[in-house]
This record gives sequence, C-alpha cells and structure tokens, in this order.
Amino acid sequence: GQQVMQIPQYQHVQEGEDFTTYCNSSTTLSNIQWYKQRPGGHPVFLIQLVKSGEVKKQKRLTFQFGEAKKNSSLHITATQTTDVGTYFCAGQEAAGNKLTFGGGTRVLVKP
Amino acid sequence: GAVVSQHPSRVICKSGTSVKIECRSLDFQATTMFWYRQFPKQSLMLMATSNEGSKATYEQGVEKDKFLINHASLTLSTLTVTSAHPEDSSFYICSARKGARAEAFFGQGTRLTVV
Repeated sequence: GQQVMQIPQYQHVQEGEDFTTYCNSSTTLSNIQWYKQRPGGHPVFLIQLVKSGEVKKQKRLTFQFGEAKKNSSLHITATQTTDVGTYFCAGQEAAGNKLTFGGGTRVLVKP
Repeated sequence: GAVVSQHPSRVICKSGTSVKIECRSLDFQATTMFWYRQFPKQSLMLMATSNEGSKATYEQGVEKDKFLINHASLTLSTLTVTSAHPEDSSFYICSARKGARAEAFFGQGTRLTVV
C-alpha cells in the first residue's frame, strides 16, 4: 500500500534559524496536505498542494510539491518559538478519499 | 473554518468495559468521517473510514468487532471501543472533510486510558 515518509523525525532549531522538512510518497499523489499539531492538541490544516512543481508561501513557511508529485517540502525561515509542534504531510492518491499521513517532524526551538 | 467536535476529551475506564466516542461536524454535513489512533510522539494511523448510512471501511489489522463504528447521520459518527484492555489506551481522533479532495478538519481527540 501507499507509504508516506517524512524526514527528519526530529528537528532541533535555534530561534532565528531556517530549516526544511521533507516528505516522500511511494506512489504518485493527487494532492498533498500539510498539518501542524501543537503539543497536546489536534492537527490543524496548513495548506494543500495540487499541481506539479507548485510552490506556496504562508508568511515564513514555504511549501513545495515535487515535479513528479511524489514528494514535498516545508521550509520555515527565521524560526520562532511559536513554530514548536509536529508537522505532518498527508498524501492522497487519485483513487479513493484517504489521506495517508507521514510520520511527522517534531520541531523543538531553542531560544 | 469548519468545526469538528469530539467528545469526551478524556476517559478512564476499567478493563472489560466499553467506551463510546462521538465525533460531530458542527457546521457542515459529512458523508464520510475518518477515525485515527495516535500513539505518543507518533503519527496518525487511520483505523477506519466511517460512511453515513453504510458500513465502515476498516484498515488492515483493525478489528471491526472491537472498534465499532456507527455513522447514523450526516453530522455524527461514533466509535465504540468494546471490551477495552490496557493496550487500547491511546489518543483517538476523528476528522471530517467537506469534499473528497478537501482539507481535513480534526476533532479535539479523546485520550482513552484503560485501567
């Protein structure tokens, strides 16, 4: 079945620095979504990418969808303490309505 | 944005008893809802897809007789953990989507502890 892998599993970042988390699917995707889960909370939708090579920005967050629609990345610039949490990518294939979640990247920010 | 409400947020039950968790979409109709299980510091594992008016679709390895799902209306799905055991202790979370390709709205989750 479809598998979605995320790296790194943990990301320790100094406040003010940039980092990137990567997401790879074993199959071609119809779309990919990104979610953020704060400690003790539930996942909250960040963005959806649909087109091959698509790039979207949300303030300090930049999301990219690979040309082959099998991988994606999230780049955060000038990390702040409010960025703490786990970032999940979730891929959906063309057939069916399931979202398959990656393992998540747990982000810890050092002030 | 759309709101999905899940209740209860925490429950402690004795081993052998059953626990029902409710998931409601408050401002939209959801023909499909999804139930996930999340272990500490791990990802969301899809347990089953709840379909309004029909049987749920369970993922491989999930016991349908243990995790009973009922989706009796367009705004309510329930997950009943039957004959709970300590290994069933986990964070259970539901989600609903407005469309087959739409974003997922998650409930607040239910932390189940079986003692």
